[in-house]
Amino acid sequence: RKEVEQDPGPFNVPEGATVAFNCTYSNSASQSFFWYRQDCRKEPKLLMSVYSSGNEDGRFTAQLNRASQYISLLIRDSKLSDSATYLCVVTQLSGNTPLVFGKGTRLSVIA
Amino acid sequence: DTGVSQDPRHKITKRGQNVTFRCDPISEHNRLYWYRQTLGQGPEFLTYFQNEAQLEKSRLLSDRFSAERPKGSFSTLEIQRTEQGDSAMYLCASSYGTETSTDTQYFGPGTRLTVL
Repeated sequence: RKEVEQDPGPFNVPEGATVAFNCTYSNSASQSFFWYRQDCRKEPKLLMSVYSSGNEDGRFTAQLNRASQYISLLIRDSKLSDSATYLCVVTQLSGNTPLVFGKGTRLSVIA
Repeated sequence: DTGVSQDPRHKITKRGQNVTFRCDPISEHNRLYWYRQTLGQGPEFLTYFQNEAQLEKSRLLSDRFSAERPKGSFSTLEIQRTEQGDSAMYLCASSYGTETSTDTQYFGPGTRLTVL
């Protein structure tokens, strides 16, 4: 079983739609959680960290459920510029260790 | 530009040749990571330095791979006797971290290797 699992998509949504991505992780010792965004043929860039209390950054909301070992990302009012691959990422310790990436979920926002 | 830089951006080589990639981290960052990404996959960890010390190596890092960070600044990743399966994007990331803090890793643009 992969350590971080995501639905690869693609998710094709119209502009303005709300879309949610889910991710599960297998290592219960995981302590830090992130969503990274990766544009085609570019490097991954940190979108947001994920906290147990949930956190929001503009149109983006991330949630963590430690009991179910489940992470989610919600994007509201999708823009064309949101089209990218979204990578779910965990680390075993408090960020001082290598990142473990899921395969990514591809999103295409269509006009 | 004060971000992470990598050189070259693209490398095409024949099977059996040796290749070396360079990564220049953000200047004040003490940690440097190498990852490999193949098509349709997320990046996979290869190795990690704190200053000049190589602290961790993945099982993916076979004997043909070696990485150095001689002065705790830039790093090199060498692949000897390349194989077609080595074709991938090689990503470098850097961060500033302490034992008690959560550090954010910033990625370079990657070196895309094609082994013919």
